[in-house]
Amino acid sequence: GAGVSQSPSNKVTEKGKDVELRCDPISGHTALYWYRQRLGQGLEFLIYFQGNSAPDKSGLPSDRFSAERTGESVSTLTIQRTQQEDSAVYLCASSLLRNTIYFGEGSWLTVV
Amino acid sequence: SQQGEEDPQALSIQEGENATMNCSYKTSINNLQWYRQNSGRGLVHLILIRSNEREKHSGRLRVTLDTSKKSSSLLITASRAADTASYFCATGINNDMRFGAGTRLTVKP
Repeated sequence: GAGVSQSPSNKVTEKGKDVELRCDPISGHTALYWYRQRLGQGLEFLIYFQGNSAPDKSGLPSDRFSAERTGESVSTLTIQRTQQEDSAVYLCASSLLRNTIYFGEGSWLTVV
Repeated sequence: SQQGEEDPQALSIQEGENATMNCSYKTSINNLQWYRQNSGRGLVHLILIRSNEREKHSGRLRVTLDTSKKSSSLLITASRAADTASYFCATGINNDMRFGAGTRLTVKP
């Protein structure tokens, strides 16, 4: 596609429910990132996929968070048993190796 | 893991003035990138400077990189109200890019 696409753009969920956020990276980009950004704060690294290498999961805040990527295409970020503290914008980005990172518009998650 | 750290956290200037933001990092990098975020959603890439470069220009933007001091600066000249946004630096080796907390720039008309 022309850019990084994320869905849903907005999601309101009840505390305790699971959510899935989807990211379609730019075609051909080997690297894919997930970041979290709480209101008024900076970007918090969550996870990084690079080609067929094992993903860097060091930023995932708890075992309720997981992410998968199918080859060099779509990625899903799953949050189980959501908590109010999970409310944030979840930003996905993709890039070629050692190159500009392109961001999607983000998925705004609100846990009520 | 390495992370760019921007300063100041917030900067307020008058339209027409120049704005300078700084970024410091801790370990070796391949490149350093500056991004802008208007509305808390996607970030827009501004400029990438590689570790073997010292200065780069793009329109009203000027970026410098000092690898000996592990720091970079972003200068926006002749600022406009539309430049009001948050600015982030990202540093990394290979593709492992991490972001700082950003500088919130306000340009008053």
